[in-house]
Amino acid sequence: EAGVAQSPRYKIIEKRQSVAFWCNPISGHATLYWYQQILGQGPKLLIQFQNNGVVDDSQLPKDRFSAERLKGVDSTLKIQPAKLEDSAVYLCASSFGYSPLHFGNGTRLTVT
Amino acid sequence: AQSVTQPDIHITVSEGASLELRCNYSYGATPYLFWYVQSPGQGLQLLLKYFSGDTLVQGIKGFEAEFKRSQSSFNLRKPSVHWSDAAEYFCAVKTGMKTSYDKVIFGPGTSLSVIP
Repeated sequence: EAGVAQSPRYKIIEKRQSVAFWCNPISGHATLYWYQQILGQGPKLLIQFQNNGVVDDSQLPKDRFSAERLKGVDSTLKIQPAKLEDSAVYLCASSFGYSPLHFGNGTRLTVT
Repeated sequence: AQSVTQPDIHITVSEGASLELRCNYSYGATPYLFWYVQSPGQGLQLLLKYFSGDTLVQGIKGFEAEFKRSQSSFNLRKPSVHWSDAAEYFCAVKTGMKTSYDKVIFGPGTSLSVIP
């Protein structure tokens, strides 16, 4: 089966600019997750979707971050405006039922 | 609140030596537990999982882990480490039984270096 696809792989922006990341989960996976992984740390959940509804976004900085999952398939995560501390790897994952999470290769964001 | 701790930030072992990576969790009910590995520039790959039943679980690449409820631990082991095992290892716990709402919380990770 095809894995979780993410793009772009790398992105460099200046602070206060905006950026968007895209994720295509494994076909049939109802649950989609966005994690932020700062260098040297474990992944931190930003937002979790069940189909096209938000299940948990308690750690999403809503003043600058937004995410959507239209039609319950692809998802985009946006940051506007970016701050230096947003430099991290943004990981998308998907799962179905009791299955473990399947991760994409992530997008490495550098904010200068 | 649920949490996962990995006491060892970094471990160095010689190739061929045995390995044990520690993981402790805090969760009131029976957890679903996972170990993931992350190579540089890559996403996380599942090594093994524990849902129920036998407390010793086997995974890919020769890894195994043992669930000990009394110690709230899920330590990862490998009898003989290969140079290609050098990577970052993450323990994770999935909370809740309602798959629509359960979270997966990750520990801070343990970085493994292997000396030839």
